[in-house]
Amino acid sequence: DAGVIQSPRHEVTEMGQEVTLRCKPISGHNSLFWYRQTMMRGLELLIYFNNNVPIDDSGMPEDRFSAKMPNASFSTLKIQPSEPRDSAVYFCASSYRQGGTGELFFGEGSRLTVL
Amino acid sequence: RKEVEQDPGPFNVPEGATVAFNCTYSNSASQSFFWYRQDCRKEPKLLMSVYSSGNEDGRFTAQLNRASQYISLLIRDSKLSDSATYLCVVDYSGNTPLVFGKGTRLSVIA
Repeated sequence: DAGVIQSPRHEVTEMGQEVTLRCKPISGHNSLFWYRQTMMRGLELLIYFNNNVPIDDSGMPEDRFSAKMPNASFSTLKIQPSEPRDSAVYFCASSYRQGGTGELFFGEGSRLTVL
Repeated sequence: RKEVEQDPGPFNVPEGATVAFNCTYSNSASQSFFWYRQDCRKEPKLLMSVYSSGNEDGRFTAQLNRASQYISLLIRDSKLSDSATYLCVVDYSGNTPLVFGKGTRLSVIA
């Protein structure tokens, strides 16, 4: 069974450029989460979707960040324009929620470096 | 505010040692608790759930103390392969996402 698939695995870009991170959740999972991880702040939840609908985006740092989930098998996280402080590992995770949160399955992450 | 606090470590222990981590959480209404493991430059993965009565999985024992609002993870007979960051995770309610602690780093030394 394929796990959560993220792309790209690594991205190096220059300040001001647009960055798009992609995620394919596990088939059958109905919740999708975007996290950002840094040494200083740990794992931070940016936004999550239930049944493709954004539920809580209060963790999105600012208007430069946006996320979409057009269907059950695909989500994107976009940063425009990117800044050096956005450098981090971005994880996508999915779960099957029925009552509780359910076990989270993470992708391998997208390591972003903004110069 | 829903917070999960952990000692970041690192805990450096010799092979065969017993090591314990604690984690405190801020909201007494919390429902479920977990330990996730994250290897260096990898994604977090579920290690074990934490039940009210305490539970054991091989060399790993998890305990919950609701009165004091902390959970613990005990690792017996540490192996080199146990070296990782251990993330304490709290499910404050069924309708909100899991809250992750920043993790405790463990290094098991030969």
